Amino acid sequence: DIQLTQSPSFLSASVGDRVTITCRASQGISSYLAWYQQKPGKAPKLLIYGASILQSVVPSRFSGSGSGTEFTLTISSLQPEDFATYYCQQLNSYPYTFGQGTKLEIK
Amino acid sequence: QVQLVQSGAEVKKPGASVKVSCKASGYTFGYDMHWVRQAPGQGLEWMGRINPNSGDTNYAQRFQGRVTMTRDTSISTTYMELSRLRSDDTAVYYCARDGCSNNRCYTNFDYWGQGTLVTVSS
Repeated sequence: DIQLTQSPSFLSASVGDRVTITCRASQGISSYLAWYQQKPGKAPKLLIYGASILQSVVPSRFSGSGSGTEFTLTISSLQPEDFATYYCQQLNSYPYTFGQGTKLEIK
Repeated sequence: QVQLVQSGAEVKKPGASVKVSCKASGYTFGYDMHWVRQAPGQGLEWMGRINPNSGDTNYAQRFQGRVTMTRDTSISTTYMELSRLRSDDTAVYYCARDGCSNNRCYTNFDYWGQGTLVTVSS
């Protein structure tokens, strides 16, 4: 199975900050990576797929980059509604594994 | 609009089985459906997928022999049945649509059900 390791696991930031979350794959997955946002008690929400394709209606302050084994999710200017947990997921091969998550908290 | 509506919460005893449904609406029922679970306070875990047209399935190895995914195309509904339940199967179970319908796009889980809490307790 392909392992995904996200860093950091916890992140404390302020409104207006620029933040970056990294996701590393245990083997190459080309651009078959997605990012999700999850708020407590809610289903995950798709933000980015194909490593860098912004899902429709997702604000442009979210962006993704990378290919192969290293990927990043960047939020250019944090808004209050962005405080949540973020997961990466590889969709290169079954099983479609997720990273362990990054919890983004208000500083 | 696309909607995935799941069946309600379940409480089961260890050793029993549970069957969760996911009714799709707002689109042509042909996109792969995936099932993902999340134990309390934990991360997301992919369980498997089903193609509603062919019925083809792929399951995560750790669930092989315990999970069965089926569909009823007449009512645009997919099902996930998990047998021989254990306490560590207590989780919220989600269905999620694969937004990529061909091999020229990147797979993505674009719509999710609201989740079904399955509690396994004696």
